[in-house]
Amino acid sequence: QKEVEQNSGPLSVPEGAIASLNCTYSDRGSQSFFWYRQYSGKSPELIMFIYSNGDKEDGRFTAQLNKASQYVSLLIRDSQPSDSATYLCAVNQGAQKLVFGQGTRLTINP
Amino acid sequence: DVKVTQSSRYLVKRTGEKVFLECVQDMDHENMFWYRQDPGLGLRLIYFSYDVKMKEKGDIPEGYSVSREKKERFSLILESASTNQTSMYLCASSFAASPYNSPLHFGNGTRLTVT
Repeated sequence: QKEVEQNSGPLSVPEGAIASLNCTYSDRGSQSFFWYRQYSGKSPELIMFIYSNGDKEDGRFTAQLNKASQYVSLLIRDSQPSDSATYLCAVNQGAQKLVFGQGTRLTINP
Repeated sequence: DVKVTQSSRYLVKRTGEKVFLECVQDMDHENMFWYRQDPGLGLRLIYFSYDVKMKEKGDIPEGYSVSREKKERFSLILESASTNQTSMYLCASSFAASPYNSPLHFGNGTRLTVT
């Protein structure tokens, strides 16, 4: 089992709809969870991080964490074509390292 | 704003050459990392460093070494480049936070081609 798993997609969502991206992880001791966005040919940029169970909202983005189910998700409301990118989930492994999922490619259709 | 600068955006090297990839960060971060990113394989950690002159192997250290002589600079060295090291290399840095990890900040990447 991979340490951090994401559906590679592509995930296609109409403009204005909610995009839902999911990530599962294997290490029950993980405490830090991150979502990065990566445009083609660019480096990853941080969207959100979450440390506690529940929801965390930042503008159109909501991160959801369920440690019991080892599941973290990212919701994007009112999806825009500029949200089309690959979304990477990252989870800490020990004190300093992050392990990344393979990423989900999201396409927002106008 | 955190700035992580990688010295080259594109590099083309020959098999067997010794290759140096340089990374500098300006935010006094303790931690620095080197990842490579390949289609279908995602981001894989090569080496990281949590302090000057300290280094830890990541998941795929074979064929690579690193150097951290100053806090702001972390170098990745390909001792004898091979074609299977053709990849996008990403440097990142972060604070040594506890108990929760602080986010990684990435450089723009170096696309290395070994011919």
